[in-house]
Formats: sequence, structure tokens, C-alpha cells
Amino acid sequence: QVQLQESGPGLVKPSGTLSLTCAVSGGSISSSNWWSWIRQPPGKGLEWIGEIYHSGSTNYNPSLKSRVTISVDKSKNQFSLKLSSVTAADTAVYYCARSTVTTYRGMYYFDYWGQGTLVTVSS
Amino acid sequence: EIVLTQSPGTLSLSPGERATLSCRASQSVSSSYLAWYQQKPGQAPRLLIYGASSRATGIPDRFSGSGSGTDFTLTISRLEPEDFAVYYCQQYGSSPQWTFGQGTKVEIK
Repeated sequence: QVQLQESGPGLVKPSGTLSLTCAVSGGSISSSNWWSWIRQPPGKGLEWIGEIYHSGSTNYNPSLKSRVTISVDKSKNQFSLKLSSVTAADTAVYYCARSTVTTYRGMYYFDYWGQGTLVTVSS
Repeated sequence: EIVLTQSPGTLSLSPGERATLSCRASQSVSSSYLAWYQQKPGQAPRLLIYGASSRATGIPDRFSGSGSGTDFTLTISRLEPEDFAVYYCQQYGSSPQWTFGQGTKVEIK
């Protein structure tokens, strides 16, 4: 059973950089899956931030692309998120998740999620 | 960017009733790229349906998905107490690769 666990500071100052790590257990980050960060502001919906493959290839949401960096550390079986120049609007629960593509019909979905970690942007 | 619009925003029903949730895309979406999730307070979303109509592992058969093109539906045939939650549709596309609907809350009437 794959498990994902987010970690990082729960409080970040405005204009600072938010940094989170997602540790993967029960499976390899070098599998044929992409690994994503998704966030959810309090009381609101889900926003996809970006994803990474174990090769280091990335895709980012254009709305955040200028501020986001996602990296992977295969030796530690984890991947990380950095979001720069944060404001109060970046306050959210941040989830890491694994996406899967089936060989049959090429179906795409997120099958494993971390529990989420709340990051508050405040001075 | 493909925008997913879910309706209604809130559905007030009683246990045992049928729930019908809609997800409409701003342009055609391959059914292979459409999934549904359930989220309860304080929890991460849980995959219910993928490929528009395939139930994920362990999901009861009272949950079903249908649709194609721009119109997709999640149906809960008989609501159980544990089904009251928020439901999101999601699609895979290009730039951004993943988008979600704004959610439908199913609440106890």
C-alpha cells in the first residue's frame, strides 16, 4: 500500500518561500507514475499546482508557474515543492498525490493522496 | 484551459434517497480523463470513479458514473449516512494538466 506524507513549516511569512516535502513509502518514486502537489484553501475547492516524474520532468499550472519549483530526490524516495513570493492567498492545505494512467483505455486519476498539511501565510 | 462546472452547489437529501451530481466541461473531455472524488471534512479526497464510469477499488456499487463529451454524472443510488460529503469531478488535459470542478456538497436534509 502506497503512503504519502507531507512535511514542512506550517507558517510562512508573506513574501517568503513555502517549502514542503512529500515522503513516499510502500512504493517507489521511480515507478511509472507522476507525482503531484494539489492545494485547497480553507473552505474552497482543489487546485492542482504541478507534477514531476522521476526523470525530473515537470508540468506546472500556468497560474502558478512563475513561482513554483517541484523537485525529486530518488535516493530518499521523496519529492518537494517550493512556492516563492507567497501571500495570504497561498494559505491552504497542501496535498501530495500520485497519479496513475491505466494501460487499458489510458485512464488518468489520482489514486493515492497524503493526509494534507495546512500552511498559513502570515506575519 | 478546460473549466469544469459542477451543479448543484449543494444537494440536500435524506438517507435512502438518490443523489444525482452533474459535472459539465467547457469543451469536450475524453471519458478516459474524467474522475470523481469524495472528500469528508479534515480528510484528503478519495477516488470514487475513474474513466467516467469505472468504480475504484473498494467503492460500493451504489456509486456509479456516466456521461461523455461535456456532460458527466455521478449517481449515488441510495444515500448512506457516510455518503454525506463534498464531491469533486476532475479532468486530465493539457496546460494545466489537471483541473477540478468546484465541488458539490451533499448534505443531510
